[in-house]
Amino acid sequence: KAGVTQTPRYLIKTRGQQVTLSCSPISGHRSVSWYQQTPGQGLQFLFEYFSETQRNKGNFPGRFSGRQFSNSRSEMNVSTLELGDSALYLCASRTEETQYFGPGTRLLVL
Amino acid sequence: GQSLEQPSEVTAVEGAIVQINCTYQTSGFYGLSWYQQHDGGAPTFLSYNALDGLEETGRFSSFLSRSDSYGYLLLQELQMKDSASYFCAVRDRGGNTPLVFGKGTRLSVIA
Repeated sequence: KAGVTQTPRYLIKTRGQQVTLSCSPISGHRSVSWYQQTPGQGLQFLFEYFSETQRNKGNFPGRFSGRQFSNSRSEMNVSTLELGDSALYLCASRTEETQYFGPGTRLLVL
Repeated sequence: GQSLEQPSEVTAVEGAIVQINCTYQTSGFYGLSWYQQHDGGAPTFLSYNALDGLEETGRFSSFLSRSDSYGYLLLQELQMKDSASYFCAVRDRGGNTPLVFGKGTRLSVIA
């Protein structure tokens, strides 16, 4: 099976812009979780989608949003970008207790 | 909420054994996981402990003590390729709650 894929891999934006990141889970996986990874804060949970519904949400402002499509692909959107949003954004799909991460999208906000 | 504590950095010699500790505070508990992440790579699953005791997978072992809210990852016969960041993670309220990660331990293996 193909692994979790994420596009784009790298992105440069300026403050105030918005960005949409995409994630395709492993075939058959219905859960997609998103994490933000920064050097100082580690992996922080953003949200999880399961069967097109947001099942869990982390402690991030409303500028961060997401959705999941009927084919389990997921997108996350960040509006009004801030410098502090520069990070590696990881998505993961799972079976039982194992999460499978994609390679991530590295976002740089200038 | 949940909090996980693990050392930020550990250095060990090639061929040696190293233990990375993780203590957690959660309102409930649904298992402790470990993930490895090489620089520039994605985290990959290493092990999962739901019950007390030691789980062994090749050179890697993971231990859990639920009464002490403590676990560790043991790496034996260290190799240079084991240089990476290691994260412990927990779910506190069941299988449908998010996996919450510690801040990671950066392991450097030296010759």
